Amino acid sequence: QVQLQESGPGLVKPSETLSLTCTVSGGSVNTYYWSWIRQPPGKGLEWIGYIFYSGSTNYNPSLKSRVAMSIATSKNQFSLKLRYVTSADTAVYYCARDAFGIFTDWGQGTLVTVSS
Amino acid sequence: EIVMTQSPATLSVSPGERATLSCRASQNVSSNLAWYQRKPGQAPRLLIYDASTRATGIPGRFTGSGSETEFTLTISSLQSEDFALYYCQQYANWPPRVTFGGGTKVEIK
Repeated sequence: QVQLQESGPGLVKPSETLSLTCTVSGGSVNTYYWSWIRQPPGKGLEWIGYIFYSGSTNYNPSLKSRVAMSIATSKNQFSLKLRYVTSADTAVYYCARDAFGIFTDWGQGTLVTVSS
Repeated sequence: EIVMTQSPATLSVSPGERATLSCRASQNVSSNLAWYQRKPGQAPRLLIYDASTRATGIPGRFTGSGSETEFTLTISSLQSEDFALYYCQQYANWPPRVTFGGGTKVEIK
């Protein structure tokens, strides 16, 4: 079974860039799509976007202007960058394997707090 | 955007009893619906996709049903490990948009 693990800073200052990496084990990123999903405290789950192994991406329109995803197939990793963060971006961030909209495997999630 | 509404927000059930969770879509999503389970400190787990297909390794006590705008997840006889948060999610608009329900917490009565 595929396992995913998020990593990155747990604290980011306002207006700076949030950067997270997801490391995939037990499978290759050279198949499927790979998504990022987040859940702010007390709120619902929000899909951020996906990346395909070819590098093609698709982002949630509400975040599109600030999001960038990349993939490193040689490392079996994919990454998320979210620019100009505010307190509204404080959330648990999950990475997941995306089988045409079905999230078959997830990471445990990592809490990112935006605060000065 | 398709809005997913789950009810109830909290369901109190005794072990061994049946739990019935509901999910409503604001538009027709056909059978493009999944259910997930999430426990504290653990990765969310896919239970059901295509409204009624159990994911690999999911016990038979989990049953998904429904289509278009009304969906149900039934847990036939609750085990201790089933007390958790449950989310529904539609993927009718993929790519790219998917949306989640607000969740139902199943707690011990």
